[in-house]
Amino acid sequence: DSGVTQTPKHLITATGQRVTLRCSPRSGDLSVYWYQQSLDQGLQFLIQYYNGEERAKGNILERFSAQQFPDLHSELNLSSLELGDSALYFCASSVRGNGVPTFGSGTRLTVV
Amino acid sequence: QKEVEQDPGPLSVPEGAIVSLNCTYSNSAFQYFMWYRQYSRKGPELLMYTYSSGNKEDGRFTAQVDKSSKYISLFIRDSQPSDSATYLCAMSESGGTSYGKLTFGQGTILTVHP
Repeated sequence: DSGVTQTPKHLITATGQRVTLRCSPRSGDLSVYWYQQSLDQGLQFLIQYYNGEERAKGNILERFSAQQFPDLHSELNLSSLELGDSALYFCASSVRGNGVPTFGSGTRLTVV
Repeated sequence: QKEVEQDPGPLSVPEGAIVSLNCTYSNSAFQYFMWYRQYSRKGPELLMYTYSSGNKEDGRFTAQVDKSSKYISLFIRDSQPSDSATYLCAMSESGGTSYGKLTFGQGTILTVHP
C-alpha cells in the first residue's frame, strides 16, 4: 500500500456523463498530481496542485477539471465523457512541489 | 517526436540474466531522472531516482544517466521472475512552468522466466 488512496477503483459510465474521481494523498504530502494512462498515449501528466493551489498543468482537456481541498484531498472531474476517455487515472502525491511522486493504485474508467 | 523515447519491448529473459533498459530524451532541461516499475493493474512504484548525470546503485538495480548523450539506463542484475513488470522511465525539469511534472516513456514490458 503506497499510502495514496483513490476511489473508486472501477467506474463504468455512459458517454456524455460526468464522473468524479477522488484522491487522498499520503499523510504529510502537500502536492497532488493527476495522470492518465492509456494504451496509445502512455502515462500523461494532467495537472498538479500544491497546498490547494494549481501549480502545473499538462494536456488536460477543457472538459476535465480538478481541485485540492483544505484537507489536501483532491478530486478530478470529468464531464461530457467520450469513449476515448476510457483509461486508468492515477493520483500521486509528494511532500514538496517538485518532489518525486508516489502513485496510488488508480481508477479504471470505462466509458460505454 | 516524443520528448522521451523508450523501447516498448517486450523483453523476455531467463532468470539470473542481466537486463538493460534504456530511454532517450530530447529536452535538455530535464534534470531529474526516475525509473518506476508497474505491475499489472497497479500504480507505478518508484525504483530509482537520480539527479543530473552519474550512476546510482541500489541492491540489484543500477541507474545511469548520461546527459551529454541524453540517454538513461536501468540495469537489473540477477533478474528474478518477480521482476516481471512494465518499467517506465520518467523525467522532470527543475523549475518553471513544468514544475513537478513528470514526462514518462512508453514503458518496457519485461518477462523473466524461470
